[in-house]
Amino acid sequence: NAGVTQTPKFQVLKTGQSMTLQCAQDMNHNSMYWYRQDPGMGLRLIYYSASEGTTDKGEVPNGYNVSRLNKREFSLRLESAAPSQTSVYFCASIEGQFREKLFFGSGTQLSVL
Amino acid sequence: GENVEQHPSTLSVQEGDSAVIKCTYSDSASNYFPWYKQELGKGPQLIIDIRSNVGEKKDQRIAVTLNKTAKHFSLHITETQPEDSAVYFCAATASWGYGGSQGNLIFGKGTKLSVKP
Repeated sequence: NAGVTQTPKFQVLKTGQSMTLQCAQDMNHNSMYWYRQDPGMGLRLIYYSASEGTTDKGEVPNGYNVSRLNKREFSLRLESAAPSQTSVYFCASIEGQFREKLFFGSGTQLSVL
Repeated sequence: GENVEQHPSTLSVQEGDSAVIKCTYSDSASNYFPWYKQELGKGPQLIIDIRSNVGEKKDQRIAVTLNKTAKHFSLHITETQPEDSAVYFCAATASWGYGGSQGNLIFGKGTKLSVKP
């Protein structure tokens, strides 16, 4: 019963490098989300996908792109990493008709030097 | 847009005491208010939630109260235990949405609760 699985758990990048954070859920949820968590800032929504084939910007989308590969998988890409993107990234999926009860993965800790 | 403020940012209590965390929200159309607990190194986990048509909800040692008129809601933990130590987040639904899609959650900035044995 894996729930939401994120890879990798830790990553160190140099400024300008690119990488993709992977997320998969096995709960047959339609909606998936990417959040970033910074000290004193709480959780801020980067992008979300209400259903397979759709993606929308959240509160802080600049510098990121996403792909909803299929119903299970939702990836987050940093094309040219910047130190301001140092953060902990969480993927989540949602149960329920009204987009409630978020289930979170265990997070990816990303450092950009 | 929706704004959720959470207080205090840190809270330290003795084991067995009660802990209260308070949140206020700005969007009067918000209708769903969950609380998440985040243990060190893990993702947030839903612990209790309340809808706008309910004033209070309890689940064993935790309870949430909602005052729609004042636009605030609170988490109450009684008989605290060391395993209650974590960061707690409140959230509220936004009646507006990014890209035109409604219902996404807006989170408070979190409260770090420490329960001392």
